Amino acid sequence: DGGITQSPKYLFRKEGQNVTLSCEQNLNHDAMYWYRQDPGQGLRLIYYSQIVNDFQKGDIAEGYSVSREKKESFPLTVTSAQKNPTAFYLCASSIVTGYNEQFFGPGTRLTVL
Amino acid sequence: SQQGEEDPQALSIQEGENATMNCSYKTSINNLQWYRQNSGRGLVHLILIRSNEREKHSGRLRVTLDTSKKSSSLLITASRAADTASYFCATDEGSNYQLIWGAGTKLIIKP
Repeated sequence: DGGITQSPKYLFRKEGQNVTLSCEQNLNHDAMYWYRQDPGQGLRLIYYSQIVNDFQKGDIAEGYSVSREKKESFPLTVTSAQKNPTAFYLCASSIVTGYNEQFFGPGTRLTVL
Repeated sequence: SQQGEEDPQALSIQEGENATMNCSYKTSINNLQWYRQNSGRGLVHLILIRSNEREKHSGRLRVTLDTSKKSSSLLITASRAADTASYFCATDEGSNYQLIWGAGTKLIIKP
């Protein structure tokens, strides 16, 4: 089955630790995205990537980092510099960058203890 | 960045009734999309409507777009318990191909 997978589903982190969230897609999509969702709010874009080895900051990139070494993979690292990292993180992809339909993974809920 | 607005924030109706939710945006758009999110899950694309379209249907879903009022509505007919979810609109108002998302409408279908 084609789709997007995210792991882990739940993640707990102590303050001061970096954590990496995994996102893999087998849809052969060029564009991939990371969003943050807080209760009662819409999605906010953290980073996006149009092609391999390229990525751009979204609205709330501070305290986050990404890499895009393979077309299928777009991991997100939440660093200790992110002041309020507890949130639901969603990865998405689309055929190409643009205002197209996006396909979402199931999400990772990160809690900082 | 700006965010679209949806209303109502929450809607609770009886199974079998129709549900209508609205989305407003601020600037001109080329297209508007609606997505559904079940609790604690990822979003699922429902429908995309372009600025030159006024109405679009998909199964029990009907979406309208009024560019003069900068608003869109999503109608779900003959609601079912499985329609319980949050519904989000997203527009192409953002720069650099960023979608602008509304805060969502939480829909609860009572059996």
